[in-house]
Amino acid sequence: GNSVTQMEGPVTLSEEAFLTINCTYTATGYPSLFWYVQYPGEGLQLLLKATKADDKGSNKGFEATYRKETTSFHLEKGSVQVSDSAVYFCALNVGGGTSYGKLTFGQGTILTVHP
Amino acid sequence: DAGVIQSPRHEVTEMGQEVTLRCKPISGHNSLFWYRQTMMRGLELLIYFNNNVPIDDSGMPEDRFSAKMPNASFSTLKIQPSEPRDSAVYFCASSSRRGITGELFFGEGSRLTVL
Repeated sequence: GNSVTQMEGPVTLSEEAFLTINCTYTATGYPSLFWYVQYPGEGLQLLLKATKADDKGSNKGFEATYRKETTSFHLEKGSVQVSDSAVYFCALNVGGGTSYGKLTFGQGTILTVHP
Repeated sequence: DAGVIQSPRHEVTEMGQEVTLRCKPISGHNSLFWYRQTMMRGLELLIYFNNNVPIDDSGMPEDRFSAKMPNASFSTLKIQPSEPRDSAVYFCASSSRRGITGELFFGEGSRLTVL
């Protein structure tokens, strides 16, 4: 089956620190990979995506590269801000047919950034 | 454009009562998902619909849970009778086959507390 494993949280950083949140996956077929972010009191929203091996997704200073050889999709940001404090979810989709929108999520990683 | 709209935002009820959560997906989206989020279990997919038809309800915990989508603009998730372990945030999400595969648009959630 399909599964996503994220690094244990919570992660606490000072402003302008470097961020890495690890994500590895197991999938049947060739998945698309995603990072979603959930700000306090809100629903999840798509942060970035990559649809094939070696693709790099990027948005708002965040980046993640689809590594097929290591089945990983680690999230990075060079300089975090207090406003980045949120819960981050790694997810995959093995599309096609009726499951094109069905995502498998990791457990989420809580990020807190202090001034 | 209006996003996914869920109601109620907060619900407090007593054990044994019936709970109905409502969702209006984004107009034109043809897939709808119900997720449950708890600290212990993370984000769980309960059921999803394509073109108003339930495709996969394997995540529905038990017969006390039921979901319907009578038309393209409305869905309900019902719990009868409710139990304290049903306390969670319930998210509705929608997506479009014409959009990015795997991009789900989430509502703000319905926080359910069963006493």
